[in-house]
Amino acid sequence: NAGVTQTPKFQVLKTGQSMTLQCAQDMNHNSMYWYRQDPGMGLRLIYYSASEGTTDKGEVPNGYNVSRLNKREFSLRLESAAPSQTSVYFCASRKARGHHEDEQFFGPGTRLTVL
Amino acid sequence: AQTVTQSQPEMSVQEAETVTLSCTYDTSENNYYLFWYKQPPSRQMILVIRQEAYKQQNATENRFSVNFQKAAKSFSLKISDSQLGDTAMYFCASPAGQGGSEKLVFGKGTKLTVNP
Repeated sequence: NAGVTQTPKFQVLKTGQSMTLQCAQDMNHNSMYWYRQDPGMGLRLIYYSASEGTTDKGEVPNGYNVSRLNKREFSLRLESAAPSQTSVYFCASRKARGHHEDEQFFGPGTRLTVL
Repeated sequence: AQTVTQSQPEMSVQEAETVTLSCTYDTSENNYYLFWYKQPPSRQMILVIRQEAYKQQNATENRFSVNFQKAAKSFSLKISDSQLGDTAMYFCASPAGQGGSEKLVFGKGTKLTVNP
């Protein structure tokens, strides 16, 4: 099992460019999440998906879109990157709705710099 | 909005000693779990320990244990016999509330350094 994988690991963009961060999990989990981590801010939820075909906004959704392509994959798109989106992005997954004991499993992160 | 507060941005401890990291939370959930995650310099987030709010008994995992005070909404992490490999950021997480056990709210983290 690879767990949660993310591509790319590093990316540098210019202001206004677009890109998609890819995330996949092979644990047959239902829920998937995108977070951003900034120094001194902890992890903040951007979007999450409770199941295939559903997505919902988190704490900081502005400037991002997501797609739950299938049960395995959950992508995060920046349509017009801004320097404020410079951050480390984490994807996570969790087994099932209603299972309060389930932890979230995290990918290795993507370090994104917007110039 | 639900909040999680970690009041110690940085801590240090000598190898083999014990250290306690504090966390307070605010959730409206009734049945919930609380989590501590570790993020070493590799950046990978790793679950350290979880606590069921309905259980009186504090959770333990080897050298890691929690002091859970439900009424005070306090959930501290104790690391015994600290090792150099415990050097990491530690994040406390609680449910986001409003039927939001699907979502977690994370604290801002405590940077722990274990000194030789």
